[in-house]
Amino acid sequence: AQSVAQPEDQVNVAEGNPLTVKCTYSVSGNPYLFWYVQYPNRGLQFLLKYITGDNLVKGSYGFEAEFNKSQTSFHLKKPSALVSDSALYFCAVRDTHGAGSYQLTFGKGTKLSVIP
Amino acid sequence: GAVVSQHPSRVICKSGTSVKIECRSLDFQATTMFWYRQFPKKSLMLMATSNEGSKATYEQGVEKDKFLINHASLTLSTLTVTSAHPEDSSFYICSADDINEQYFGPGTRLTVT
Repeated sequence: AQSVAQPEDQVNVAEGNPLTVKCTYSVSGNPYLFWYVQYPNRGLQFLLKYITGDNLVKGSYGFEAEFNKSQTSFHLKKPSALVSDSALYFCAVRDTHGAGSYQLTFGKGTKLSVIP
Repeated sequence: GAVVSQHPSRVICKSGTSVKIECRSLDFQATTMFWYRQFPKKSLMLMATSNEGSKATYEQGVEKDKFLINHASLTLSTLTVTSAHPEDSSFYICSADDINEQYFGPGTRLTVT
């Protein structure tokens, strides 16, 4: 079975500083990896994904993530945080092997607070 | 990117009544749609997978007779919460599958009084 771990419930960072939101995963096949952001009372907005190719993936709003197969990680990063980045961030994985391989499994979410 | 809409965005109903939530893929056809439930400050819990023209596949612990799912066309799936109770109050989110990616609707806030 596939699983995702986001070890931090909350991340606080000062505006202008770099931010990292951690994610590790477990799958039986090759992973498709995703990051989504959610603002209060809103649905999920897609940030970026890794399917294949370059391990460093660039996405929306200046975010990027690096796929590390040996560490089974897909941490989300941004060089300079904005107050408007404050939101709930979800990492998700889709296994490419086995029954239900089209399903997404989500991490529990990490609340990012950017302090002015 | 592709757009998925949900209607209504917010609904309040009385205990014992039924509520229908619609999920539409606006610019692509989705053979598969998903329904999630999100509790406050929690992650998304997959409730069921909706396949066009066939019965939905429910996750363990989700009552299929209470949460009726219909996927009558390639652009529309509906979730009906039957005989609603206050504990059914939640944020319901749908998504539509387009090859390698799921596109999410904006969510529906259900409050049962």
